[in-house]
Amino acid sequence: EDQVTQSPEALRLQEGESSSLNCSYTVSGLRGLFWYRQDPGKGPEFLFTLYSAGEEKEKERLKATLTKKESFLHITAPKPEDSATYLCAVDSGGSNYKLTFGKGTLLTVNP
Amino acid sequence: DAGITQSPRHKVTETGTPVTLRCHQTENHRYMYWYRQDPGHGLRLIHYSYGVKDTDKGEVSDGYSVSRSKTEDFLLTLESATSSQTSVYFCAVEGAGNEQFFGPGTRLTVL
Repeated sequence: EDQVTQSPEALRLQEGESSSLNCSYTVSGLRGLFWYRQDPGKGPEFLFTLYSAGEEKEKERLKATLTKKESFLHITAPKPEDSATYLCAVDSGGSNYKLTFGKGTLLTVNP
Repeated sequence: DAGITQSPRHKVTETGTPVTLRCHQTENHRYMYWYRQDPGHGLRLIHYSYGVKDTDKGEVSDGYSVSRSKTEDFLLTLESATSSQTSVYFCAVEGAGNEQFFGPGTRLTVL
């Protein structure tokens, strides 16, 4: 059974204080790892897909990295508008592209 | 936003009544998914569809049924709503890179 564990559950940062969110996964075979951002009252918004260990993707202040056991979402010099819940999900293969989600990290960036 | 709409956006109903939620997409995606999101559980897959009239169960399918008579519409039905089905329901479609794009959600309260 696929498992995704995100840590920490909640993270509070000061504006400009860089940090990282962790996503550890256990799957039989990774086809893709996905990061999403979710604002209160809204649906998850797709950020990145990572397919293989060593891969990195960047978007503004966010950078996602992948190893064989975990992924990190690095947030550089965050701003208050980066406050959201960040979700990680894995696709372990099969024909129906089902994702297994972690429970998320609630990030709060104070001005 | 992948052209996904959900209706209704909010619904309050009573225990034992049937409820149908609708997901509509405009971009001809083959795969569609229904999730529920609850505090402490994250996103959990209820049912998914891999084509017109082709559906299958997810991890929390008990008490739910689905139908897909047209590519653009995926319906989720609670035959007899219970308080444990109070949740936020999200529809998603599969993108070209196996990522999923989510709708805005339906907040359902069962009294």
